[in-house]
Amino acid sequence: DAKTTQPPSMDCAEGRAANLPCNHSTISGNEYVYWYRQIHSQGPQYIIHGLKNNETNEMASLIITEDRKSSTLILPHATLRDTAVYYCIVKDPYNKLIFGAGTRLAVHP
Amino acid sequence: DGGITQSPKYLFRKEGQNVTLSCEQNLNHDAMYWYRQDPGQGLRLIYYSQIVNDFQKGDIAEGYSVSREKKESFPLTVTSAQKNPTAFYLCASSADQGANVLTFGAGSRLTVL
Repeated sequence: DAKTTQPPSMDCAEGRAANLPCNHSTISGNEYVYWYRQIHSQGPQYIIHGLKNNETNEMASLIITEDRKSSTLILPHATLRDTAVYYCIVKDPYNKLIFGAGTRLAVHP
Repeated sequence: DGGITQSPKYLFRKEGQNVTLSCEQNLNHDAMYWYRQDPGQGLRLIYYSQIVNDFQKGDIAEGYSVSREKKESFPLTVTSAQKNPTAFYLCASSADQGANVLTFGAGSRLTVL
């Protein structure tokens, strides 16, 4: 079972920031949070991961709360090509990534 | 360019037939994985392999088989024992056994007629 909770869907206007929340209240102290996205009928694509500190790369920023029970993925200037399902993931007890249903982000003009 | 190649992209099969999906990677990754995805659902792990000549069952291994004779290749056979094989199948690899970052192929869509 997924150890994360995400809203099933979100909308965002093109050019605006998309903020995708994730709750992982049972995360342990040494577990990373991973974010992937899946554009329709394609394989998932790795976006970013983090442990405690905020992280940023060319695709997105990841903000992790101080208690590590939740995080937010930020796409600073969403485009139509960012329309996808976004997965927030922590590992299961067997050290495997578990992909839940994710958040379906729709970016509209 | 390095990556993962899955073939075929689309496959149709009659009930009772076995079918093999190919997965090849040139990333020199040790670990490889097979996932199944049903419409509107997340990914479920079928099998994974952390090293050549070794593999382990995932959450939904029944009705599937794999082999890992070469580092680059991890084919998946969907057998006639799989009761509901119509799905989107995804192959992935990772550099380390800890599966920190996965690289996915484009997927194979299997339809049973």
